[in-house]
Amino acid sequence: SQTIHQWPATLVQPVGSPLSLECTVEGTSNPNLYWYRQAAGRGLQLLFYSVGIGQISSEVPQNLSASRPQDRQFILSSKKLLLSDSGFYLCAWSVLGRGYEQYFGPGTRLTVT
Amino acid sequence: GQQLNQSPQSMFIQEGEDVSMNCTSSSIFNTWLWYKQDPGEGPVLLIALYKAGELTSNGRLTAQFGITRKDSFLNISASIPSDVGIYFCAAGGNAGNMLTFGGGTRLMVKP
Repeated sequence: SQTIHQWPATLVQPVGSPLSLECTVEGTSNPNLYWYRQAAGRGLQLLFYSVGIGQISSEVPQNLSASRPQDRQFILSSKKLLLSDSGFYLCAWSVLGRGYEQYFGPGTRLTVT
Repeated sequence: GQQLNQSPQSMFIQEGEDVSMNCTSSSIFNTWLWYKQDPGEGPVLLIALYKAGELTSNGRLTAQFGITRKDSFLNISASIPSDVGIYFCAAGGNAGNMLTFGGGTRLMVKP
């Protein structure tokens, strides 16, 4: 069966510090991968998605970036965090042919202070 | 951009009651999905609908894909305390593999 991991689970970082969040998927090959951000009590905002290694599409211009160095690894980064980057970051995967069924990881709670 | 209007925003019901929530859009979609999110966790897929008019059940949950392809509803029968959470609708099919999400319905159940 497929599983998705995210770490860290929680993170408190000062403004201006760098960020690296990691997502890995097990039990499937060549998944589509997604990064979402969720503000408190709000819906999900798609940040990035990837259909393959090194292929990243950005949905929202911001100071965040994403990379996919391996087939089942997706990384969200920032060189300098802003207060507005605080939120709940969710990684999700889907498979070719059933791309609309996205399966989410447990999330990372980021607080920028 | 595309938007999904989900209602109600919140519901506070008595245990045992039935619940109904819906999602509408001005755009046509080929797929409608419903997710549930517990506090501090990622959303979990409940039901996926791929055909206009389709009615699908998952235990006490029933969802329908509207005939116009612009709406969907989710019903929960005989609610229990563990139904508490935020329910999100999502739709896809006209923008690659991306989903558009509704704003969520927060469900609270009083024992």
